[in-house]
Amino acid sequence: GAGVSQSPSNKVTEKGKDVELRCDPISGHTALYWYRQSLGQGLEFLIYFQGNSAPDKSGLPSDRFSAERTGGSVSTLTIQRTQQEDSAVYLCASSFIPLETQYFGPGTRLLVL
Amino acid sequence: RKEVEQDPGPFNVPEGATVAFNCTYSNSASQSFFWYRQDCRKEPKLLMSVYSSGNEDGRFTAQLNRASQYISLLIRDSKLSDSATYLCVVNPSGGSYIPTFGRGTSLIVHP
Repeated sequence: GAGVSQSPSNKVTEKGKDVELRCDPISGHTALYWYRQSLGQGLEFLIYFQGNSAPDKSGLPSDRFSAERTGGSVSTLTIQRTQQEDSAVYLCASSFIPLETQYFGPGTRLLVL
Repeated sequence: RKEVEQDPGPFNVPEGATVAFNCTYSNSASQSFFWYRQDCRKEPKLLMSVYSSGNEDGRFTAQLNRASQYISLLIRDSKLSDSATYLCVVNPSGGSYIPTFGRGTSLIVHP
């Protein structure tokens, strides 16, 4: 079956603009995670969705970041008023149940000029 | 002490060599553990889970040492295609569902 997909694969934007990143998890996976990975760095947790429960937003770096997951499937991560330090690869992962094997999408490479 | 620590490397080894990486974790109550592999400019992919009794998958062996709070990954007969970054992942206990990723260990296998 299809894996996790993300769009766009690359995004170049100007400082101050808003961007929206999309993640399509594997069908039937209840858990969805967003991470950020800067060049040469590890994965930084951003937000976690599980079914219809309230998301765990504890990793969001500022109130410019928000995310939603509609119908327990597709998720969008929105960054408002982008800053240069937001430049990174944004990775989405899903798992059948929490803390089991995570399947990652190919990521969105965001560059803020 | 960081929650999950890995030697960033790089480990530079010839083909056919045996190489081992460790990953230490600080939370003694951590429940489960994984090794992921990440190729350059690609997403992480599961390599193997780490079971309490240790487990082997072909040339790869993973072990857990709860007393000393580390997991290890042993790669035998290294191939050029093993060149990648290896991430350890430690899952929490106590109601949290947020895994912690190590920053990864870089392996370069040369001819």
